[in-house]
Amino acid sequence: KAGVTQTPRYLIKTRGQQVTLSCSPISGHRSVSWYQQTPGQGLQFLFEYFSETQRNKGNFPGRFSGRQFSNSRSEMNVSTLELGDSALYLCASMAGTTDTQYFGPGTRLTVL
Amino acid sequence: KNEVEQSPQNLTAQEGEFITINCSYSVGISALHWLQQHPGGGIVSLFMLSSGKKKHGRLIATINIQEKHSSLHITASHPRDSAVYICGFADGLTFGKGTHLIIQP
Repeated sequence: KAGVTQTPRYLIKTRGQQVTLSCSPISGHRSVSWYQQTPGQGLQFLFEYFSETQRNKGNFPGRFSGRQFSNSRSEMNVSTLELGDSALYLCASMAGTTDTQYFGPGTRLTVL
Repeated sequence: KNEVEQSPQNLTAQEGEFITINCSYSVGISALHWLQQHPGGGIVSLFMLSSGKKKHGRLIATINIQEKHSSLHITASHPRDSAVYICGFADGLTFGKGTHLIIQP
C-alpha cells in the first residue's frame, strides 16, 4: 500500500496570502488528522476529519480550516498568513478511532 | 501545564549506552503512542500501548496507566537511533514536545 502523501513538500508565501495544503491518506483509511509542528511548541493538533466530517478541532484560530472529500483526501487552508504560521504541517491517517497513525512527510511552509 | 510532559528534552549519549526516555501525563487515557522523527521530518509510529510492555528489536516501551507514566528504552544504542522521540495520546489530539536524542559514535 502506498503511504500518506502530502503536496506540496515545500512552500514559500508572504504575509497576508493564503495557502492550501493537500493530503492523501493510505487507501482505506477514513480518518485524516492535521498537525502543526514548530521547534517551540512541538506537534500540535489542528483538526481531524472522518468520513468527510470534522470530528475534532484543536485550539487554532479560524484562519485555519480544512475539509475532507469523499475519497478521504483532505485539504487544509490557512488564510491571511502570519509569520508565526511558518511550520511543518503534517497529516496522518488511520483506519479507525484509535488505531496506529501513519504520518505523511509533511509540508514545510515558510511565511516571509 | 502541558497534559503530556517528556523528559529529558535533550539527551546525548555514546554508542552502546542504554537509553531511557520518560513520558508523564495528567489525564486518564486508554492508550499511548510513541513516535520517532528523524531529521528531515518523517514521523514513524513505534508503539501503541495500553498496558504492560512492548518490544520491537532494540526498542522497549512500558506503560503504567494508573501512575500515568510511560517509558521508552533503547538498548545498545546506535547513531542511527538519533532522532526526536514523541509520546502522545492514542486519539492523536495531544503530544509531548519530544525528546531530542543524539547518539555519538
